[in-house]
Amino acid sequence: DADVTQTPRNRITKTGKRIMLECSQTKGHDRMYWYRQDPGLGLRLIYYSFDVKDINKGEISDGYSVSRQAQAKFSLSLESAIPNQTALYFCATSERNEQFFGPGTRLTVL
Amino acid sequence: SQKIEQNSEALNIQEGKTATLTCNYTNYSPAYLQWYRQDPGRGPVFLLLIRENEKEKRKERLKVTFDTTLKQSLFHITASQPADSATYLCALDRVGTGTASKLTFGTGTRLQVTL
Repeated sequence: DADVTQTPRNRITKTGKRIMLECSQTKGHDRMYWYRQDPGLGLRLIYYSFDVKDINKGEISDGYSVSRQAQAKFSLSLESAIPNQTALYFCATSERNEQFFGPGTRLTVL
Repeated sequence: SQKIEQNSEALNIQEGKTATLTCNYTNYSPAYLQWYRQDPGRGPVFLLLIRENEKEKRKERLKVTFDTTLKQSLFHITASQPADSATYLCALDRVGTGTASKLTFGTGTRLQVTL
């Protein structure tokens, strides 16, 4: 089984809908991250968490919120989705330096 | 503002040759620099990490250099193979974090190795 899993893998939704993307990990890492990837812009950090009680905004947190339900689970929510949130979303974990990425969620907002 | 530049144009190279990818950065004093490989539709995979006090790091056919004066890292794949075809991302940490806890990624360079 994969160490970092994301659900759903693909999602199409409409403007204004609330969406939750989920991330689970079996690596036992305290640090978890949410990124979005857009063509030509690379990976950009949305939120990160260094442990269950620690949540921090990244460079592009507007329009997003997160929840760290347990060490192994870190969810990303779009309260009211808009078309420019169409992107590939990645969850990642780390213990020290290298980051381990999930397979990604492709989100399309119509 | 901090900026990381990777060649956005694809690098096409013949099998067996050495591929060299470049990562330049400005307004940065990173303690670590990392390289990741990303295949289409998949998450990045960590390859190598080099520290600011290291000039060079090797792993099998991979070699990374880190020149903090030029603010540049070079990533080499020797004896390249078609299976090396992918997008390669460089990432830098932020000084003061102690570890590479927060990374800023470049946009990546796509490598295509042909027979």
